[in-house]
Amino acid sequence: EVVLTQSPGTLSLSPGERATLSCRASQSVGGNYLAWYQQKPGQAPRLLIYGASSRATGIPDKFSGSGSGTDFTLTISRLEPEDFAVYYCQQFGSSATFGQGTRLEIK
Amino acid sequence: QLQLQESGPGLVKPSETLSLTCTVSGGSISSSIYYWAWIRQPPGKGPEWIASINYSGNTFYKPSLRSRVTISIDTSKSQFSLKLASVTAADTAIYYCARRTEQVVPRAYYFDYWGQGTLVTVSS
Repeated sequence: EVVLTQSPGTLSLSPGERATLSCRASQSVGGNYLAWYQQKPGQAPRLLIYGASSRATGIPDKFSGSGSGTDFTLTISRLEPEDFAVYYCQQFGSSATFGQGTRLEIK
Repeated sequence: QLQLQESGPGLVKPSETLSLTCTVSGGSISSSIYYWAWIRQPPGKGPEWIASINYSGNTFYKPSLRSRVTISIDTSKSQFSLKLASVTAADTAIYYCARRTEQVVPRAYYFDYWGQGTLVTVSS
């Protein structure tokens, strides 16, 4: 099973700043099989990025994904109040797995 | 707009079987590019995929849960279901049903629609 490790655990930033979230896999992941989700309290996760870098329908271009192999990044430019949430990376291998999440909080 | 809705008991006793159903509306459950999944999330932790099934009954299970999990589908009712046997307190979580979509070119997979989730507590 592929283990995904996200860093940092918590990221404290101010509105208007840029957020960089990391996801590292324990073994190589096909780039097309890596997704990112946003989760707000009391809600289900929401798909942001799939295939490592493709934005899901309706997701603004301030969200961007990159990476390949074992290292992936989610970047959020120009943070707005509604962007403060928990973010998860997820991979589809022989068994789908999620990271433990990065909490993005207002500084 | 596709909607998924979980239903089932919110409280299950230890050693008993947890049973949940997901009803799909606003779209077809019978398409070759979709698998239908159960995902759970213990309080304060990340999501955990449990199992997936497609319209023809092909299944995938998380290896560590396989011995206790059964996923099934009823396309005539647009429903799919989860049974988790011999539950313990460790199985307490919010259980989500979700749709896994396969993009053919370039090949990619993602969970694009989720239910609102249902909290299942295992306690006597």
